[in-house]
Amino acid sequence: KNEVEQSPQNLTAQEGEFITINCSYSVGISALHWLQQHPGGGIVSLFMLSSGKKKHGRLIATINIQEKHSSLHITASHPRDSAVYICASFTSGTYKYIFGTGTRLKVLA
Amino acid sequence: DAGITQSPRHKVTETGTPVTLRCHQTENHRYMYWYRQDPGHGLRLIHYSYGVKDTDKGEVSDGYSVSRSKTEDFLLTLESATSSQTSVYFCAISERAGDEKLFFGSGTQLSVL
Repeated sequence: KNEVEQSPQNLTAQEGEFITINCSYSVGISALHWLQQHPGGGIVSLFMLSSGKKKHGRLIATINIQEKHSSLHITASHPRDSAVYICASFTSGTYKYIFGTGTRLKVLA
Repeated sequence: DAGITQSPRHKVTETGTPVTLRCHQTENHRYMYWYRQDPGHGLRLIHYSYGVKDTDKGEVSDGYSVSRSKTEDFLLTLESATSSQTSVYFCAISERAGDEKLFFGSGTQLSVL
């Protein structure tokens, strides 16, 4: 059974700081998703990765398949980045995503 | 934004009553999912559908049933609600299994008293 773990659980940063959120999983997967859950509860998909790195604005996601590890980086953090960030693994043939418990990020002005 | 709506947004009900939550999409996506979100847990899959009348159980399916008679609607029913089913319920859709784009509804806050 695949387990997905995130660290840290909670993170407080000052505006402008570089932020890293980690996600590890226990078995081989087909892809890994990063999601953002806003304070109001809405969930938005940020990235899907199966290898390498992806960048969107100030967000960068990387994945190391051999080490079963992914990171989400936020450069020049801003208070509007405050949210819960969730990683989720997907394995072909199962039709199912396994979600981590999330990292709650608070960026202070 | 993807066209996916959940109803109701909030519901308070009593133990033992039946409850139905609705997920409606306008994207014509094949896959639809029901998750519940509880403190200390990641989103957990209740049931999913991979086509009209094609559904399967997730990891926390006990006490829940689903139906999908049309592409656009996926209904989640709690036959006899219990306090342990107090949770936030999310519907999600994707065009293909494992698709890059996974869209979520706004969630339904359900309280069972």
